[in-house]
Order: sequence, then structure tokens, then C-alpha cells
Amino acid sequence: GAGVSQSPRYKVAKRGQDVALRCDPISGHVSLFWYQQALGQGPEFLTYFQNEAQLDKSGLPSDRFFAERPEGSVSTLKIQRTQQEDSAVYLCASSSRLAGGLGGGANVLTFGAGSRLTVL
Amino acid sequence: GNSVTQMEGPVTLSEEAFLTINCTYTATGYPSLFWYVQYPGEGLQLLLKATKADDKGSNKGFEATYRKETTSFHLEKGSVQVSDSAVYFCALSNTGNQFYFGTGTSLTVIP
Repeated sequence: GAGVSQSPRYKVAKRGQDVALRCDPISGHVSLFWYQQALGQGPEFLTYFQNEAQLDKSGLPSDRFFAERPEGSVSTLKIQRTQQEDSAVYLCASSSRLAGGLGGGANVLTFGAGSRLTVL
Repeated sequence: GNSVTQMEGPVTLSEEAFLTINCTYTATGYPSLFWYVQYPGEGLQLLLKATKADDKGSNKGFEATYRKETTSFHLEKGSVQVSDSAVYFCALSNTGNQFYFGTGTSLTVIP
């Protein structure tokens, strides 16, 4: 598609439920990122994929968070046993460049509209 | 470490007023700097960027200059419009795969 697509746009979960958030990046984009944006805050890094390889998951807040990108395109962020502090907007971004790659220029991210998760 | 500090909002301006949103950064090495804009109900969109010291990024009448000596990347626009109402995020990217964002500055332009 023309942009990064995320679904669902809104998700309400009861505490303890598992949720799955989907990201469809721009076709052909090598790099895919997940960010968490709490209310009134800037996005914070969760994890990064280069094709199907998860090269950095240092931002995942706990082992309840899991992300995958099995075929190097669509990615899913799964949160198990959701807690109220997980309530946030989860942003997906993709880039045609390899993060930290050579060749100069900047690694420009294209963001999706986000999935707003509310945990009751 | 890497971090971005930007001016807290909210900012309210009248149409055609001059806009400045301050942004300073801390980084190791030589980061690239960005301004992203988030309109209501939409995802973050790249507004402008600069990749090295003294570069000026510009787009849609907005400008920001990468000042290494003051570690700043302030956003300016000479005459704002109602359609510029949004949340603006300053960000940096270093040699790696992480972007570091400021907390955002909400701008409301009134007619």
C-alpha cells in the first residue's frame, strides 16, 4: 500500500487479556520499528526488525511483550496478560534504509496512524 | 546518552504570528535531527530534517537549523496558519536503529 497500515485502530482489553496489534509496512521497506507513545509523551522505542530478523528488542518493557515479522513484511506486536500501564498508542514505522547503514543521509521513518490500546 | 528536550506547550498563537519551538539535544557522535508533526487522529509525519552541522531543513514554510555549538534544532515559521495546529516532535537518530523523541509541543493557531 501507499502508507503504513496498522490495525486495529482502537482496542479495549480487560486486564489480563492478550492482545495482538498488526502492522503492514510500506511494500519493500526493509526496516520496521515499533514505538510506544503514552499520553502526552513522545514515542519510545520498543523493537526493530531488519527484514525478518529482530535485531534490537531492548525497548520491550517486559517479557509480556513479543514482536514478530516472520516473512519480512507484516509484523505483529503481542502483549500478554495486559496491565493498565500498557495503555498507550502503539506506533509502527518502516524505512527503506537499513538502520545505521552506510551511504550517508538520514534514516527517515514513515509512521502508521497507530493502535490505541486501553486496558481496563 | 542520547536525548531530546523540547519546549513544553501548549502554544497558542494567532494566525500569521511567528512561531518558534525550541529543541535541544544530547548525543554521542553526529546525529541526524528531525521534526515530525502529528495532526489530530493521524500518525507522525516527517516535517523536515538535517543530517549535519549547519544544515537547514525546510518544508511548508517551516525551517530548522542544525546548530552543533548550541546543540539545538529550533523550529521556526514566519507566519502560522490555522492548518498548522498539531503536535510537533523533535527527534534525533544516531548511528544505530533508535530514534529519540522529545515529549512533543502542542500548537493551536486561532483565526
